[in-house]
Amino acid sequence: EAGVAQSPRYKIIEKRQSVAFWCNPISGHATLYWYQQILGQGPKLLIQFQNNGVVDDSQLPKDRFSAERLKGVDSTLKIQPAKLEDSAVYLCASRPPRGGFTDTQYFGPGTRLTVL
Amino acid sequence: EDKVVQSPLSLVVHEGDTVTLNCSYEVTNFRSLLWYKQEKKAPTFLFMLTSSGIEKKSGRLSSILDKKELFSILNITATQTGDSAVYLCAVSDNYGQNFVFGPGTRLSVLP
Repeated sequence: EAGVAQSPRYKIIEKRQSVAFWCNPISGHATLYWYQQILGQGPKLLIQFQNNGVVDDSQLPKDRFSAERLKGVDSTLKIQPAKLEDSAVYLCASRPPRGGFTDTQYFGPGTRLTVL
Repeated sequence: EDKVVQSPLSLVVHEGDTVTLNCSYEVTNFRSLLWYKQEKKAPTFLFMLTSSGIEKKSGRLSSILDKKELFSILNITATQTGDSAVYLCAVSDNYGQNFVFGPGTRLSVLP
């Protein structure tokens, strides 16, 4: 079974530039999460999708961050314009459909963003 | 606001030592507690705990949950250098959709 795919793996940009990250979840996984992990901290949820609908985006800085999941499969997270404090690893995770009692999320390798 | 606290934040041991990592939480409508190991980037799943007092075990790793006192421990016996990683604790709410992560414990196992 293929895992969660993310690209790019690394990105370096200057502040005020734009950047986009892509995630392809495990086939059949209805729920998709984007997390931001700042160095030395645990992952912080940015947005959660169920199929192509947003379930929770309460912690997404909507003035600069946006995300979409067209057709309920791939997802894109965008930052425009980037700030220095956006430097972090952006993790995508997916989860199987509910029906069994599992809360296991499967994480992608992440994208390390450095904003200069 | 849901909250997860882990201790210690950092730990250095020698191979063969036994370690205990702690996780305490406050969450509305608790559903499960999960432990992950994060070596480079992607956290990998270790355990999911939902019931108090039932130990989950996998090789040298074990974990138990106390829902009354709102904490969990992760034990690693006979540590190896390959156990060096950040260990993350997360809790989910009753809908099993929202996950809150703790800051992690960075474990370093020296040869």
